[in-house]
Amino acid sequence: GEDVEQSLFLSVREGDSSVINCTYTDSSSTYLYWYKQEPGAGLQLLTYIFSNMDMKQDQRLTVLLNKKDKHLSLRIADTQTGDSAIYFCAPHNDYKLSFGAGTTVTVRA
Amino acid sequence: DVKVTQSSRYLVKRTGEKVFLECVQDMDHENMFWYRQDPGLGLRLIYFSYDVKMKEKGDIPEGYSVSREKKERFSLILESASTNQTSMYLCASSLQGNYEQYFGPGTRLTVT
Repeated sequence: GEDVEQSLFLSVREGDSSVINCTYTDSSSTYLYWYKQEPGAGLQLLTYIFSNMDMKQDQRLTVLLNKKDKHLSLRIADTQTGDSAIYFCAPHNDYKLSFGAGTTVTVRA
Repeated sequence: DVKVTQSSRYLVKRTGEKVFLECVQDMDHENMFWYRQDPGLGLRLIYFSYDVKMKEKGDIPEGYSVSREKKERFSLILESASTNQTSMYLCASSLQGNYEQYFGPGTRLTVT
């Protein structure tokens, strides 16, 4: 199966940018998703990028894809306390999504 | 909006008990999924169903079974619960041909 790697923790000051990185192994992934999980809740879809794109911007979110290096990143501009959550990278692979371990983002005042 | 509901938010069971976790979605999605989530391991797929009465094993099916008798409902069954099945269980659904999955709130199962 596909391996998806993310760093486990990120601490960021309120108002700064957050960058969450992800590497994956299956180059045939056509869609790559970012999900957010707030404490005690299920996962909600944040954004996604199609594999023929390098970048996608959606309000405060910017997704960068380096397909050659199989590297995906999510940048959150002007990070707020409501952005504290676990963020999952999830490339599409065959019929399913493969999830990384998740990056816990803590926003400090 | 898609709504995926799970029968319980918290569940405590004893070792050896049979456990049923139920998931219902209201958007006529063909695909339904069961995952377990453990710290440091992310989400791992247990079983997947693409139609009524159809099921496919995921990455970690051992110790679990599933049932899909109606399109909107997907049940996860632990035939004989064990302590290593203590985990958060998440259900998801998606439209056929669409990879975007919608998740329920999760059931935190503790097996003592």
